[in-house]
Amino acid sequence: DGGITQSPKYLFRKEGQNVTLSCEQNLNHDAMYWYRQDPGQGLRLIYYSQIVNDFQKGDIAEGYSVSREKKESFPLTVTSAQKNPTAFYLCASSIDAMRRETQYFGPGTRLLVL
Amino acid sequence: QQQVKQSPQSLIVQKGGIPIINCAYENTAFDYFPWYQQFPGKGPALLIAIRPDVSEKKEGRFTISFNKSAKQFSLHIMDSQPGDSATYFCAAEGNFNKFYFGSGTKLNVKP
Repeated sequence: DGGITQSPKYLFRKEGQNVTLSCEQNLNHDAMYWYRQDPGQGLRLIYYSQIVNDFQKGDIAEGYSVSREKKESFPLTVTSAQKNPTAFYLCASSIDAMRRETQYFGPGTRLLVL
Repeated sequence: QQQVKQSPQSLIVQKGGIPIINCAYENTAFDYFPWYQQFPGKGPALLIAIRPDVSEKKEGRFTISFNKSAKQFSLHIMDSQPGDSATYFCAAEGNFNKFYFGSGTKLNVKP
């Protein structure tokens, strides 16, 4: 059963703490993306990766970091520098970042600050 | 600067009605325009998509109308049902498969 999985479904962060959100895909897609969704707003791009060991900043990368050591995995770390981390985080993937293709989304992780 | 502008922010229709959601863009380099449907607490799911070489695309009860000269596109939902109640996002694709999303339309279809 192919798809994108994100874990955990809910995540709580304490002040000054770094937390990592997991994203795994078994679609054999080259490109992966992280978005942030706030109420009443569209999705905003945090980071994207076109290929293993390469990633680029999106529109709102400050306070976040990523890695892409394996094709199927693209974890997102929300650092203590992100002052307003409460949001719904969505991971997506597409076949190839150079082609005009659909992005497929995971179920999301909701991050809350204690 | 918002690359894709979506309206209305919310929409209420009766069952069987035809809600219409509109999007506009400025960047003529965009050449792929998907619509996503999102239920509360879930990730967006692709509904239908269009490329600018056609003016209309239908899939089941969902239709995209595309006006390249006006840089506008819209989603029509025929014979809407309460199960269609969700938030709908339009998007436009730029270079490197980067998507630019509209701000979303919350649709409520009343029984």
